Amino acid sequence: EVQLLESGGGLVQPGGSLRLSCAASGFTFSSYAMSWVRQAPGKGLEWVSAFSGSGGSAYYADSVKGRFTISRDNSKDTVYLQMNSVRTGDTAVYYCAKRSSSSCYSHTDYWGQGTLVTVSS
Amino acid sequence: QPVLTQSSSASASLGSSVKLTCTLSSGHSTYIIAWHQHQPGKAPRYLMKLEGSGSYNKGSGVPDRFSGSSSGADRYLTISNLQSEDEADYYCETWDSNTQGVFGGGTKLTVL
Repeated sequence: EVQLLESGGGLVQPGGSLRLSCAASGFTFSSYAMSWVRQAPGKGLEWVSAFSGSGGSAYYADSVKGRFTISRDNSKDTVYLQMNSVRTGDTAVYYCAKRSSSSCYSHTDYWGQGTLVTVSS
Repeated sequence: QPVLTQSSSASASLGSSVKLTCTLSSGHSTYIIAWHQHQPGKAPRYLMKLEGSGSYNKGSGVPDRFSGSSSGADRYLTISNLQSEDEADYYCETWDSNTQGVFGGGTKLTVL
């Protein structure tokens, strides 16, 4: 059974940093691209970032480019999202998601439960 | 980059059928999409991948009541024999080489 367990969310001040983690199990982690998707309060889903299975390619939404960094440790079956220079607009539930192939050019086929990030002073 | 347009809301009676629409922007009418269900307080759930031909592949455990179809730039999700647990937000997703993820605005389905 595929399981994605996010952690690391919490309250952070504007301009601060936070690192989210997503521990994966139930599939061969290194063979699949992983992504982060967020949902701000009262809003829809917004894709944030993706990283290919091989770890060679990372992609970002324009709204987070230059501030967020996605990484993965295939030895720990974990994907991370380093969030720097956070803004109040980054307040959202952040979901870890598995893609259907090693390429980011694929759809999401599993989701985590999400972790809440609140940016406020 | 592709844009996905969905109606903000839909409603249908218990036991009836409903057809939700996701429309691809001009120049992207052949794109493959995926449908996802998001019930409040729960993790989103992948429902199916849907091609422009109308061919679809459902996720593990998705009931037979859920089906997909396509016409031109429109991608449809049909839910038959609506159940109370089908009340949720439904999102479509697509991707290409310029953007690795795009979601529609979502449709809030109410089961009457």
